[in-house]
Amino acid sequence: QKEVEQDPGPLSVPEGAIVSLNCTYSNSAFQYFMWYRQYSRKGPELLMYTYSSGNKEDGRFTAQVDKSSKYISLFIRDSQPSDSATYLCAMSYLSGTYKYIFGTGTRLKVLA
Amino acid sequence: NAGVMQNPRHLVRRRGQEARLRCSPMKGHSHVYWYRQLPEEGLKFMVYLQKENIIDESGMPKERFSAEFPKEGPSILRIQQVVRGDSAAYFCASSPGQGPPLHFGNGTRLTVT
Repeated sequence: QKEVEQDPGPLSVPEGAIVSLNCTYSNSAFQYFMWYRQYSRKGPELLMYTYSSGNKEDGRFTAQVDKSSKYISLFIRDSQPSDSATYLCAMSYLSGTYKYIFGTGTRLKVLA
Repeated sequence: NAGVMQNPRHLVRRRGQEARLRCSPMKGHSHVYWYRQLPEEGLKFMVYLQKENIIDESGMPKERFSAEFPKEGPSILRIQQVVRGDSAAYFCASSPGQGPPLHFGNGTRLTVT
């Protein structure tokens, strides 16, 4: 079993839809949870970053962490064609140094 | 505010040649990570460095690969005697301290012919 599981998609939605992207994980030691957006031929861009459980909102983006279920989500409201990209979840825990584990990414297509 | 800078963006090498990938972290960041990404695969950790020190190289192949982060200048990932299987996108990330989050550069795409 992978430490972090993420549906590869592709996920296609119409413009204006609410998008829900999810990751599950198995390691209860994870403390920090991140979402990155990666456009084709570019590097991952940090979108959201949370510590422990709870919600965090930034503009059209909301990140949720449910540590009891080992499940994290990223919601995108009023999705735009420019949101079309691959979304990577990432998690981190301290074991001597901080270890980072990345999901394989979900490809999102927002159709105009 | 310059982000993480990587160069070159694209690098083509013949089998057996050496590849040198450079990474300048964000201003004020002294922790550098190198990752490798293959199509349809996630980011795979290679090495974690602070200035003049390799902290964790558990993800880096023992042979042909080396990394450094000198007191002055960029971090360098060096691949000697490249093989076709080394073709991938190599990303550098930096952080101001040991903890999250990481900030990534746009990568170097290495093609071995």
